[in-house]
Amino acid sequence: GENVEQHPSTLSVQEGDSAVIKCTYSDSASNYFPWYKQELGKRPQLIIDIRSNVGEKKDQRIAVTLNKTAKHFSLHITETQPEDSAVYFCAEMTTDSWGKLQFGAGTQVVVTP
Amino acid sequence: EADIYQTPRYLVIGTGKKITLECSQTMGHDKMYWYQQDPGMELHLIHYSYGVNSTEKGDLSSESTVSRIRTEHFPLTLESARPSHTSQYLCASSALGGAYEQYFGPGTRLTVT
Repeated sequence: GENVEQHPSTLSVQEGDSAVIKCTYSDSASNYFPWYKQELGKRPQLIIDIRSNVGEKKDQRIAVTLNKTAKHFSLHITETQPEDSAVYFCAEMTTDSWGKLQFGAGTQVVVTP
Repeated sequence: EADIYQTPRYLVIGTGKKITLECSQTMGHDKMYWYQQDPGMELHLIHYSYGVNSTEKGDLSSESTVSRIRTEHFPLTLESARPSHTSQYLCASSALGGAYEQYFGPGTRLTVT
């Protein structure tokens, strides 16, 4: 994988609203796209991932969509809650790169009550 | 419980000192990684290993070195610490094969004065 661009860098949402973070990548061979959540002072943790043979994946209030043609993927958080406040990182990998992830720069999400 | 451990969690040290950051995992993973991260900022891969006696430099140039003599242990050494090395260092591991999730340790916050 090569560069991953992530937008926006900060996102402030009202509790209950939806949040969307978008990432674009340049390597057409990329085929694995995880999202990590890092709360303040904590370690990054995987929250959802998607592989290139799937266009969308959902897990309760979070979902990820992948558009391989346009080379972008997005994280959607619905019904946001204060505990969703964190930095979110997208990443991509080409599975023949032996597990090396290329991370985006991160999005600081703040959910206000 | 299977986990990744890093010691020390915090270290303040003077310029020119040699330091070793410890990382061990009880996950049974073959792949291990070191990332450098300023708080809440992008994760930069500095070293990785596919198994015992395998080490590679990552995408971010680093003056540190690593070793992998045992599967569960992946220490990082700075021969001569400088203020520019001040950062957080995160260790991670993942399994071989089709499971790509990386599990992160709690990190070591290093300050070089």
